[in-house]
Amino acid sequence: DGGITQSPKYLFRKEGQNVTLSCEQNLNHDAMYWYRQDPGQGLRLIYYSQIVNDFQKGDIAEGYSVSREKKESFPLTVTSAQKNPTAFYLCASSSRGNEQFFGPGTRLTVL
Amino acid sequence: GIQVEQSPPDLILQEGANSTLRCNFSDSVNNLQWFHQNPWGQLINLFYIPSGTKQNGRLSATTVATERYSLLYISSSQTTDSGVYFCAVELGTGGFKTIFGAGTRLFVKA
Repeated sequence: DGGITQSPKYLFRKEGQNVTLSCEQNLNHDAMYWYRQDPGQGLRLIYYSQIVNDFQKGDIAEGYSVSREKKESFPLTVTSAQKNPTAFYLCASSSRGNEQFFGPGTRLTVL
Repeated sequence: GIQVEQSPPDLILQEGANSTLRCNFSDSVNNLQWFHQNPWGQLINLFYIPSGTKQNGRLSATTVATERYSLLYISSSQTTDSGVYFCAVELGTGGFKTIFGAGTRLFVKA
């Protein structure tokens, strides 16, 4: 099936640890995005990538890092520098200039 | 930066009623999308509508880019329409930076 997969669905992290969230797409889309959603809030853009080996910071990039070594994959690392990482993380992809499609999300909880 | 404002923030409807959700944006945009977020958090694409009018069953949307707003119409609402509705705009100044509104939380009573 074509689509966007995110793993894991739930993730628990101890304070001070880095964790990496996976996002894979088989839609042959050029662009990929990471968003954060806090309870009762809208989505905020963390990072986005238009092509392989290139990415740009969104509005809340501090404490996060990404890589785009393959067209299909756009992993997000939540570093220990992120002060309040507990949130719902959503990945999306799109063809250039077209609508975005979202994965099912990863719920990260810091213990 | 660009502001994206959705109204109303909350809406309660009786099943069968109609409603209009609004999205205002403060600058020119390349694209505009409407999404429905279900109770499990999945974002479902409703409309990709940078301008004009589109219809899909009981839902329709209109974007007037020159006046910087978009409307989502829900007719004959059903309990399954409950959830959060977001509009999202892609900025008009290059790249694919996207800004979401805060959403409209809809509850449809049986």
